[in-house]
Amino acid sequence: ETGVTQTPRHLVMGMTNKKSLKCEQHLGHNAMYWYKQSAKKPLELMFVYNFKEQTENNSVPSRFSPECPNSSHLFLHLHTLQPEDSALYLCASSQSGRGSYNEQFFGPGTRLTVL
Amino acid sequence: GDSVTQMEGPVTLSEEAFLTINCTYTATGYPSLFWYVQYPGEGLQLLLKATKADDKGSNKGFEATYRKETTSFHLEKGSVQVSDSAVYFCALSDEGGATNKLIFGTGTLLAVQP
Repeated sequence: ETGVTQTPRHLVMGMTNKKSLKCEQHLGHNAMYWYKQSAKKPLELMFVYNFKEQTENNSVPSRFSPECPNSSHLFLHLHTLQPEDSALYLCASSQSGRGSYNEQFFGPGTRLTVL
Repeated sequence: GDSVTQMEGPVTLSEEAFLTINCTYTATGYPSLFWYVQYPGEGLQLLLKATKADDKGSNKGFEATYRKETTSFHLEKGSVQVSDSAVYFCALSDEGGATNKLIFGTGTLLAVQP
């Protein structure tokens, strides 16, 4: 595997389900991100992890719970979601720190549908 | 705060036409600038970047020049192909990458017709 991978690529869940999205980066980066992309809305940054520590949480509802066990893996745990949470969830990674320019590499995304 | 403004789409062109997608930014200091492309059903891919004023980023026939005097980073291509149909995002990163954040524009849909 190369680059940034995400599983599953598609997920359909009911509002009472619990599911998890997985992201893995094979680039040796030290920062990882979750973004939400909804139709006709700008890309929304949800969470940032730097060296496994969460450094950004953009007022994301608690029904989204991130987990970063190491610099290569990032999870997004989902529970009691709402239909408006249906979107494409994108994971990205970068090499952070001064001089790195923060060039982010994205995975293909998980298309989530909440019924 | 920092922001990116790009032209509203969709932009519809015929094959071999000239493409310009405008992008302007507001930032303190000297940000790095990026263009990302998203093909249907896929994530974002870095298309090109420029890290200082007057730099020109280029890739796959696309070009953009970092213009500090006009705070712009317009994307151009001399002859588009149907395969260029995608959504294009302009983005900036703070100077030196200190905060790990990219600020994205809203995206511009490009549709190229044969």
